Amino acid sequence: AQKVTQAQTEISVVEKEDVTLDCVYETRDTTYYLFWYKQPPSGELVFLIRRNSFDEQNEISGRYSWNFQKSTSSFNFTITASQVVDSAVYFCALSEAYESNDYKLSFGAGTTVTVRA
Amino acid sequence: GAVVSQHPSRVICKSGTSVKIECRSLDFQATTMFWYRQFPKQSLMLMATSNEGSKATYEQGVEKDKFLINHASLTLSTLTVTSAHPEDSSFYICSALDRTNPDTNGYTFGSGTRLTVV
Repeated sequence: AQKVTQAQTEISVVEKEDVTLDCVYETRDTTYYLFWYKQPPSGELVFLIRRNSFDEQNEISGRYSWNFQKSTSSFNFTITASQVVDSAVYFCALSEAYESNDYKLSFGAGTTVTVRA
Repeated sequence: GAVVSQHPSRVICKSGTSVKIECRSLDFQATTMFWYRQFPKQSLMLMATSNEGSKATYEQGVEKDKFLINHASLTLSTLTVTSAHPEDSSFYICSALDRTNPDTNGYTFGSGTRLTVV
């Protein structure tokens, strides 16, 4: 069963529009970590955020913000006032670290964001 | 912050030859290394997990005799693609984790290796 679902395959927006990327996860663990990574065309994974399961506070970092809702098992990511440089593939990931003790990181399928000038 | 150096970034090899990819943690002890493969327009698929000094644990469907993983030290893990074939052409990424300090270092990824087998 897929542990991380990113239902949106591709999103295309015009510069300055906001874009929200959805991420729904599935786990039986009570302690886990959620991540978002950006993968530009160069291929390198850029770490954006890590959130543990006990911290439901939403977070804002510049134009990026994250909405963590345990009740719906979602960890959505919003880019405000998008720019062309935001064009990339974005991955949501889940680590069921402590209780499973294998520390594997499960990735979603990714969402390709294209920002047009 | 934590840095992982992955080398080479690109490699082209002939079918039937072997290719070694190195992954080094530069400023922390990588007690666990993960190796991923990513085909074009797809997600990262975990190939294997290796703990320092132990044999790697391979995911279902990954041939351990074809993808040899060595994690002999706390700072170096290598993936060797043996007898490479064109279908092995892919983007390979390593990720290092300090299990003794997961909260601090988290997962640190290498920059990836694009392998093309001709």
